[in-house]
Amino acid sequence: QKEVEQDPGPLSVPEGAIVSLNCTYSNSAFQYFMWYRQYSRKGPELLMYTYSSGNKEDGRFTAQVDKSSKYISLFIRDSQPSDSATYLCAMTTGSGDKLTFGTGTRLAVRP
Amino acid sequence: DVKVTQSSRYLVKRTGEKVFLECVQDMDHENMFWYRQDPGLGLRLIYFSYDVKMKEKGDIPEGYSVSREKKERFSLILESASTNQTSMYLCASSLGLQETQYFGPGTRLLVL
Repeated sequence: QKEVEQDPGPLSVPEGAIVSLNCTYSNSAFQYFMWYRQYSRKGPELLMYTYSSGNKEDGRFTAQVDKSSKYISLFIRDSQPSDSATYLCAMTTGSGDKLTFGTGTRLAVRP
Repeated sequence: DVKVTQSSRYLVKRTGEKVFLECVQDMDHENMFWYRQDPGLGLRLIYFSYDVKMKEKGDIPEGYSVSREKKERFSLILESASTNQTSMYLCASSLGLQETQYFGPGTRLLVL
């Protein structure tokens, strides 16, 4: 079993929909959680960074962490075709270990 | 803004050739990483470096080597390219080992 699991998709939604992207993990020591966005044929770029449990909002994006369930989510409100990309979650304990990445979920937002 | 650049966006090489991929970062980061990314497999860590001349194997180091002679530069070397090394190669850097990684644009390598 992988340490971080992420549904590969593809996930196809109409423009304006609310999108929910998720990762589950097995290591209860993970404390820092990130979401990266990767456009086709480009490198991943950091989208959201959260520490421990709770929500963090940035514009149309909300990152949610539920440490009791070992589950993190990224919500995209009013999705746009420009949100079409692969979204990767990443996490770390913060105790000197490297980031552990999910495999990514491919999202397509239809105009 | 952190900038990570990679020497080539696209490369085509023949089986058996020696291949050099170079990565440069401009933020004085201690740590640098080389990944390959394949459909369905996600990012797989090949090697990383936490200081000049220091390197550690990642999850899939076989067939690869690395060099870090200067802090800003991290090179990935394919000693004898094989077709199963056709992939997208991504370089990243970070200040601390557990901190946010900043990625380059990637190099698409095709080995014929």
